Amino acid sequence: EVQLVESGGGLVQPGRSLRLSCTASGFPFGDYAMSWVRQAPGKGLEWVSFIRNKAYGGSTEYAASVKGRFTISRDDSKSIAYLQMNNLRTEDTAVYYCTTSGARLAYSSYWGQGTLVTVSS
Amino acid sequence: DIQMTQSPSSLSASVGDRVTITCRASQGITNNLAWYQQKPGKVPKFLIYAASTLQSGVPSRFSGSGSGTDFTLTISSLQPEDVATYYCQHYDTAPYTFGQGTKLEIK
Repeated sequence: EVQLVESGGGLVQPGRSLRLSCTASGFPFGDYAMSWVRQAPGKGLEWVSFIRNKAYGGSTEYAASVKGRFTISRDDSKSIAYLQMNNLRTEDTAVYYCTTSGARLAYSSYWGQGTLVTVSS
Repeated sequence: DIQMTQSPSSLSASVGDRVTITCRASQGITNNLAWYQQKPGKVPKFLIYAASTLQSGVPSRFSGSGSGTDFTLTISSLQPEDVATYYCQHYDTAPYTFGQGTKLEIK
């Protein structure tokens, strides 16, 4: 059974940093692309970032709203995906979901339960 | 960047009705489109990929169609448990944007 468990969320002040982790199990993590999707309170889904598997170079993609501030990465030896979030803004407040679908495609077949990030002074 | 526009933004229909939600891409995405269902307070659920391929376990009353820029999600006979917000997402070229959502309620 595919499981994705996010951690690392919490309350942080504007301008500070936070690193989210997504611990995966139940599938060959190293063969799968991973994504982060967020949802601000009462709002719709927003795609944030995507990392391909090593077979596709492990290359990354970002939404314009986070480019230059967020970095997605992966540790295939630990089956963990990360989202390093720097220079956080109040508008980054959201539930952050870790998702995956398979080797290379960027849709989200499987979702974690999400972790809440609140950016506030 | 490719923009995804859903219509309507909200919809009220009766149990047993046929319901159609539209998603339009700002440029052609062939069939690189997925649909999700999110019930209140829950994690989104994956319904359809490649515009028309139903994910395993999704009830057959759900169907998707379209190619290029225009896509539809259809519920053939609305059930009470279908109350949710529905989102489309393209996965053609990054950024892989979602539509703004369509909130479906029972009349």
